[in-house]
Order: sequence, then structure tokens, then C-alpha cells
Amino acid sequence: GAGVSQSPRYKVAKRGQDVALRCDPISGHVSLFWYQQALGQGPEFLTYFQNEAQLDKSGLPSDRFFAERPEGSVSTLKIQRTQQEDSAVYLCASIPGDSGAYEQYFGPGTRLTVT
Amino acid sequence: AQSVTQPDIHITVSEGASLELRCNYSYGATPYLFWYVQSPGQGLQLLLKYFSGDTLVQGIKGFEAEFKRSQSSFNLRKPSVHWSDAAEYFCAVGAQWNDMRFGAGTRLTVKP
Repeated sequence: GAGVSQSPRYKVAKRGQDVALRCDPISGHVSLFWYQQALGQGPEFLTYFQNEAQLDKSGLPSDRFFAERPEGSVSTLKIQRTQQEDSAVYLCASIPGDSGAYEQYFGPGTRLTVT
Repeated sequence: AQSVTQPDIHITVSEGASLELRCNYSYGATPYLFWYVQSPGQGLQLLLKYFSGDTLVQGIKGFEAEFKRSQSSFNLRKPSVHWSDAAEYFCAVGAQWNDMRFGAGTRLTVKP
């Protein structure tokens, strides 16, 4: 079946522009996660949804970052007034349940370059 | 504080040789432990995981890992490396999904 998909795969933004990154999780997966992966680093947790509820947004680096999942399926990560330090790969992952020992399924990521 | 350390940034092995990638962690309790592989332009693929039970875990593509509580380690091993194993490998630990910590990764190069 289809895995987690993300779009666009690549995004170049001028400093100060707003961007929106989309994640389509595996159908029926309850929980969805966003991670930021800087060059040469491992992914870092940004935020987590259970259905449409955003249960944790403690990893969002600033109030310029906003995520939503209004219908409990597709999620959008929005970055306002992009800065160069926002350049990274943004990964989305989903799991079938709301807790417990599940495997996270990752999408291919969106590589954001802010010039 | 929770942390994950992958001491080796880059490892080169010859095809057919054995491989061990190191992972050490600092965590308040026994967390869930994972190894992921990432090929260029791809997302992370789970190789194996440890939740509880047998401390020697078998994964996909011939990989295995051993959880050693006394050493806070979860090293990844493969007896014979194939050229297709060249990729970036990440160790991850966490007890809850919103506190997952990933190491900085180890890049594996395979010599013919």
C-alpha cells in the first residue's frame, strides 16, 4: 500500500517568504509527527498530532512555525517569514495507534532551502 | 538529560567485511531503542527495534543489534556488508513518541 508522502520534495524560499509543507500519512494512521533534520544531524522532534489534536508542540523552534491537521489525516507545517536557519529537511512520520510500541513510518521529507 | 551518541561520524568497510556501528544513550529508564537507515533523498527506514524481552534483536537486511543495559548501548551489527548497505544510519531512543531522540548518524561507505 501507499506509504507516507510529502510535498513538495524540494522548496527554495527567499528569506522572509512563507512556506507550507504537506504530509499525507498512511491511511488510517492515528498519530502524525513532524521532525526537522539539519544537515549532518539526526531528526529532531517538532510536533505531534493524535487525530486532529496537536498534543505536543514543544519542539517547534519559534512562533513562526505552525502545524495543523484539521481533519485528522493530511497535515501541513507552515513556516512564516522564513530565515536561513530554517533550511533543513522536514520529515513527517505516522503510526497506526495513539501510543505503545509501534513502528514509525517516515516520508521522504521536504528539503527546504532559504536563500 | 536524554541523549544519544553515535561516536563514529563516518565508517568505511570493505564489501564482505563485518560491521559494527555504535550507539550509546543516556536515559532515565529503559527506553524503546531503534536503528534506522537513510539513503540519499529518502526517508528513514526502520532496520530493527527493541521494546522488551530478548536483548539480541534481529532486523531486516541481515542486521542485528544487542541491547546492553549495563553499558547503555545498542550497537548495530552485520556479519557481511553488501555494497547496497552504503547509507546513513541513525540510532534513536525514547519512551514516548514525543521524546524520541536521534543520534547524529554514522555514514557508512562500502569499498568494493
